[in-house]
Amino acid sequence: KNEVEQSPQNLTAQEGEFITINCSYSVGISALHWLQQHPGGGIVSLFMLSSGKKKHGRLIATINIQEKHSSLHITASHPRDSAVYICAVRGSARQLTFGSGTQLTVLP
Amino acid sequence: EAGVAQSPRYKIIEKRQSVAFWCNPISGHATLYWYQQILGQGPKLLIQFQNNGVVDDSQLPKDRFSAERLKGVDSTLKIQPAKLEDSAVYLCASSVLRDSTDTQYFGPGTRLTVL
Repeated sequence: KNEVEQSPQNLTAQEGEFITINCSYSVGISALHWLQQHPGGGIVSLFMLSSGKKKHGRLIATINIQEKHSSLHITASHPRDSAVYICAVRGSARQLTFGSGTQLTVLP
Repeated sequence: EAGVAQSPRYKIIEKRQSVAFWCNPISGHATLYWYQQILGQGPKLLIQFQNNGVVDDSQLPKDRFSAERLKGVDSTLKIQPAKLEDSAVYLCASSVLRDSTDTQYFGPGTRLTVL
């Protein structure tokens, strides 16, 4: 079993829809990151969470430490949100362990 | 502020050949990471440097992969000899601090195809 599991693997939505991507992890962590990867490989850090909730524009990230679960929400989705969204956790070893990503496609 | 630079962006080689990738981190970032990302998977850490010292290379296949960061700035990752399964995107990232609040900044990656 992978230490970091994301769901769904692939998600197609219509423009304007509310989107949720989930991440579950099996180890104790000090922080969880949500990253966005566009075609061509560039990765951008969206959020770093250790508790609670963070919001940036149309993006909201939440984490429940007890349940070892985090969600990334996108409100009023837009085709430019199409990308791979990756969850990564930092455990006691201080290195990041990555999920396999969720491919999001937002159709106009 | 300039981002993390990597070159080349693409490389195609035949198996058993050698290849090297270069990374220039963000100025002032002490920590540098090399990741391997196979198609359809998340990045996997190969090696982490703090200045010019190795912090973690536990997942680096040392029989064929090597990396150095001699002056604590630029870094090179080498594969010799390459195998088909080395086809992947090699990502370099850098960060200011080596702790749990640190944000990593990623370069564009080098896409390696081994034929």
